[in-house]
Amino acid sequence: NAGVTQTPKFRILKIGQSMTLQCTQDMNHNYMYWYRQDPGMGLKLIYYSVGAGITDKGEVPNGYNVSRSTTEDFPLRLELAAPSQTSVYFCASRSRTEQGARRTEAFFGQGTRLTVV
Amino acid sequence: ELKVEQNPLFLSMQEGKNYTIYCNYSTTSDRLYWYRQDPGKSLESLFVLLSNGAVKQEGRLMASLDTKARLSTLHITAAVHDLSATYFCAGSYSGTYKYIFGTGTRLKVLA
Repeated sequence: NAGVTQTPKFRILKIGQSMTLQCTQDMNHNYMYWYRQDPGMGLKLIYYSVGAGITDKGEVPNGYNVSRSTTEDFPLRLELAAPSQTSVYFCASRSRTEQGARRTEAFFGQGTRLTVV
Repeated sequence: ELKVEQNPLFLSMQEGKNYTIYCNYSTTSDRLYWYRQDPGKSLESLFVLLSNGAVKQEGRLMASLDTKARLSTLHITAAVHDLSATYFCAGSYSGTYKYIFGTGTRLKVLA
């Protein structure tokens, strides 16, 4: 069972370039999330989605865009990359079913380490 | 807006000792989560706490929730080196489906 898969694992971008971070999950989860983690810090929510076609901003959405055309995929787009976007990006998903506590936990991908130079 | 704070941020402890990590949150949160992260790795779910007075235990770790005090604790009993990691708490409240994370506690257990 693959769970949440992120690609690429590492990427170096030049200032002003654009890229898409890919995230796919095979657990049929409705909810998906993008977080960023700066060195030595906690996770900040960028965007989230409660289902295909529905997305909403999190704590730090500026400079990013998302789309959710299918249940499985939730790509994160960086336009005009800036050094402040150097971070580790985590995608996560969870089930909508709330029967039992474990079903509400989020499952995380392995992360994408992005450096903007 | 929900805010989550953890303390301490860093914790260095000797093997065999006990210690507690604290997680305070600012507004009503209907569930509280604890995660573990090893260096350079992803986050692994440890506990989900649903209600006031909830207590969950797994090995040397025990988590509890006091919704009246808006406080969750992660207690470490007789620490071993393998527990060295960063521990995060996260809150969420119904209707938003968002998880808000604390800044994490970096734990180092010394032999």
